[in-house]
Amino acid sequence: QKEVEQDPGPLSVPEGAIVSLNCTYSNSAFQYFMWYRQYSRKGPELLMYTYSSGNKEDGRFTAQVDKSSKYISLFIRDSQPSDSATYLCAMSGDSNYQLIWGAGTKLIIKP
Amino acid sequence: DVKVTQSSRYLVKRTGEKVFLECVQDMDHENMFWYRQDPGLGLRLIYFSYDVKMKEKGDIPEGYSVSREKKERFSLILESASTNQTSMYLCASSSHARVGTEAFFGQGTRLTVV
Repeated sequence: QKEVEQDPGPLSVPEGAIVSLNCTYSNSAFQYFMWYRQYSRKGPELLMYTYSSGNKEDGRFTAQVDKSSKYISLFIRDSQPSDSATYLCAMSGDSNYQLIWGAGTKLIIKP
Repeated sequence: DVKVTQSSRYLVKRTGEKVFLECVQDMDHENMFWYRQDPGLGLRLIYFSYDVKMKEKGDIPEGYSVSREKKERFSLILESASTNQTSMYLCASSSHARVGTEAFFGQGTRLTVV
């Protein structure tokens, strides 16, 4: 079993819909949780960063962490075609510098 | 604006060639990483370095080596390229300042070995 599980998709939704992207993990030591967005033929870029449990909001994006369930989510409100990309979750613990990555979910927003 | 720069966007090499992929960062980061990314497999760590002249094997180091002679530069070397090393290669860097810190990526090098 992988340390971080993420459905690769593709996930296809109409423009304006609310999108929910998720990752589950097995290591209870993880404290830092990130979402990266990767456009085709580009490197990933950091979208959201959360420490420990709770919610974080940035414009149309909300990141949630539920450590009791070992489950993290990224919500996108009022989705736009420009949100079409692969979304990768990443996480790490208190004692290392490496990030553990999900496989990435390909998201397609249809106009 | 922070920057991680990879020397090539696209590269085509022949089987058996020695291949050098270069990465430079301008953020004075201590940590640097090389990943490869393949469809359905996500990001897989090849090697990382947490200081000059230091290196650690990642999950898939076989067939690769690295060099870090200066803090800002991290090179990935394919000793004898093979077709199964055709992939997207991504370099990243991060700071020692705090654990769990985010990584910054270059634009990637798409390597094709023929």
